[in-house]
Amino acid sequence: DSGVTQTPKHLITATGQRVTLRCSPRSGDLSVYWYQQSLDQGLQFLIQYYNGEERAKGNILERFSAQQFPDLHSELNLSSLELGDSALYFCASSVADRNQPQHFGDGTRLSIL
Amino acid sequence: GENVEQHPSTLSVQEGDSAVIKCTYSDSASNYFPWYKQELGKGPQLIIDIRSNVGEKKDQRIAVTLNKTAKHFSLHITETQPEDSAVYFCAAKEGNNAGNMLTFGGGTRLMVKP
Repeated sequence: DSGVTQTPKHLITATGQRVTLRCSPRSGDLSVYWYQQSLDQGLQFLIQYYNGEERAKGNILERFSAQQFPDLHSELNLSSLELGDSALYFCASSVADRNQPQHFGDGTRLSIL
Repeated sequence: GENVEQHPSTLSVQEGDSAVIKCTYSDSASNYFPWYKQELGKGPQLIIDIRSNVGEKKDQRIAVTLNKTAKHFSLHITETQPEDSAVYFCAAKEGNNAGNMLTFGGGTRLMVKP
């Protein structure tokens, strides 16, 4: 158990809808990361937050947004969902914002019908 | 940006044999290289990592080597066991990156036959 908690584990929805994925980092970790894992793209970095502020951004679509709250939990919002958004979404956390090991949760499997 | 290539994509070994997975990276400024193991239905689990100022690191049956000149690093698993069967990912962190984003290789499916 990595200590990173993601909810829900599974999410099934339709095209055009909006969903919110939630992540609680390990106790003491200030930085959270979101990654997308799909069969054709592999593991792709989306975005990083550190102590509430955005620290780094990857190839995150404009339809996707994230935030980190004062209690350090994070949410990833996906809107106007398309079939291609079906994937596993992982959250990871680390103690600091740079050069620190990242520990992953078990992910949310998003299925778009 | 960084590009990480990983080989082989699948690897089948007999229990007790060694397994080697290799990765190359493109950004010479990359300074941190973790390896993750992902089992079915689980998230990636960090198993070992190495920083650019170190050439080799070992933890029991697992070792990682780094060749900065050639820009490649490898994972070595000795005395493989069936529970080592999983997908393994290498990753690299760009040294000039403001944050801590990792670029992952495509993964290696390791199968250890009893």
